[in-house]
Amino acid sequence: AQTVTQSQPEMSVQEAETVTLSCTYDTSENNYYLFWYKQPPSRQMILVIRQEAYKQQNATENRFSVNFQKAAKSFSLKISDSQLGDTAMYFCAFMKHVYSGGSNYKLTFGKGTLLTVNP
Amino acid sequence: DTAVSQTPKYLVTQMGNDKSIKCEQNLGHDTMYWYKQDSKKFLKIMFSYNNKELIINETVPNRFSPKSPDKAHLNLHINSLELGDSAVYFCASRIGAGNSPLHFGNGTRLTVT
Repeated sequence: AQTVTQSQPEMSVQEAETVTLSCTYDTSENNYYLFWYKQPPSRQMILVIRQEAYKQQNATENRFSVNFQKAAKSFSLKISDSQLGDTAMYFCAFMKHVYSGGSNYKLTFGKGTLLTVNP
Repeated sequence: DTAVSQTPKYLVTQMGNDKSIKCEQNLGHDTMYWYKQDSKKFLKIMFSYNNKELIINETVPNRFSPKSPDKAHLNLHINSLELGDSAVYFCASRIGAGNSPLHFGNGTRLTVT
């Protein structure tokens, strides 16, 4: 079974600074996909960034970037120029194809990191 | 124009009751999911349907029964509610492409008293 580990239950950062959230996963698969979602107090689940395992280049979305180390099975999220609105629970997630034929994919989440951005 | 909508947003009920949560997506996706988020915020998959066919059925009590009348809808019916069923339930959908992410509804907070 795939497991996703987020070793930092809580983190805090000052506004405008940079913070890195760690994530490791365990799999014997070669093809899979990785995601970071954020969940602000509003409870909404918002996609932050995605990475395909077959791509060596790290994904970037504005202030958000990842450091994907496939051999180490590591997928950390870097948030630059942190803003108050970045305060949220951040979930790392692993997705793989579950059954043969058709588009059947299973997304497994880590336990989350609560990030607080301080003014 | 909400992409994935769940109703109700909040649900308070007593132990032993039967309740349903409805989910609809207008994104044209072919796969839909139910996730449960417990009090510690852990998200766990419950079910997944692809084109109305049940594909993923995790270890979930038989009291939970999903129903997919068509590709755009996936409802969750819960019989004989228990205190431990209190949680936030999220519906999600995605299209079949490999790197396509899940799009989540805003969740239904179920409280069983």
